[in-house]
Amino acid sequence: QVHLQESGPGLVKPSETLSLTCSVSGGSIKTTNYFWGWIRRSPGKGLEWIGSIVYRANTYYHPSFKSRVTIAVDTSKNQVSLNLTSVTAADTAIYYCARRGRAINVIYGFEVWGQGAKVTVSS
Amino acid sequence: DIVMTQSPPSLPVTPGEPASISCRSNQSLLHSNGNNYLDWYLHKPGQSPHLLIYLGSSRAPGVPDRFSGSGSGTDFTLKISRVEAEDVGVYYCMQGLQTPLTFGGGTNVEIK
Repeated sequence: QVHLQESGPGLVKPSETLSLTCSVSGGSIKTTNYFWGWIRRSPGKGLEWIGSIVYRANTYYHPSFKSRVTIAVDTSKNQVSLNLTSVTAADTAIYYCARRGRAINVIYGFEVWGQGAKVTVSS
Repeated sequence: DIVMTQSPPSLPVTPGEPASISCRSNQSLLHSNGNNYLDWYLHKPGQSPHLLIYLGSSRAPGVPDRFSGSGSGTDFTLKISRVEAEDVGVYYCMQGLQTPLTFGGGTNVEIK
């Protein structure tokens, strides 16, 4: 059974870069059968999709983050990373990585989620 | 971007009674392949969100059969046939037809 675990600093200073890692266990990320996505929930707000990546294929970003965000896979470590530059207090949130299945002519929901990484942006 | 609108924003429920949440999109979520790209998620307090329904009406593995999804195009509904205390949390619909993926504002289900 696949398991996702987010990790990274819990506190980031304004204008700096937020870097998180999603470690995947129980399965390989070296497959085109899944989107690996990052989703966040800010205090008092709902869920917000940041972006997704498919191994050796496309990366998709929310336009609101596009100039600041990079999502990448590290096959040597079986990890998916999120980098968000020039952060502000508005980027304070719980960040989740999640896996979404895909097949020919169909895309499924985000059926596996990590436990989330709480990130606070503050000086 | 596709805008997702959920109602009601808050739903007090009585255990054993049915409950229903509506989700509407400003564009059809029906793909040419016949699938509606609409998911439902439950975010319980202190936990990660988890998938309840995908493709509008397919129940995710392990989800109790008291949860059901229906609808097509722009109008979708999540129904709980008999609410249990463990069903409290915030329910979200999400469109997966096109990027950016977008969520509804959420429906906070709480026990009366």
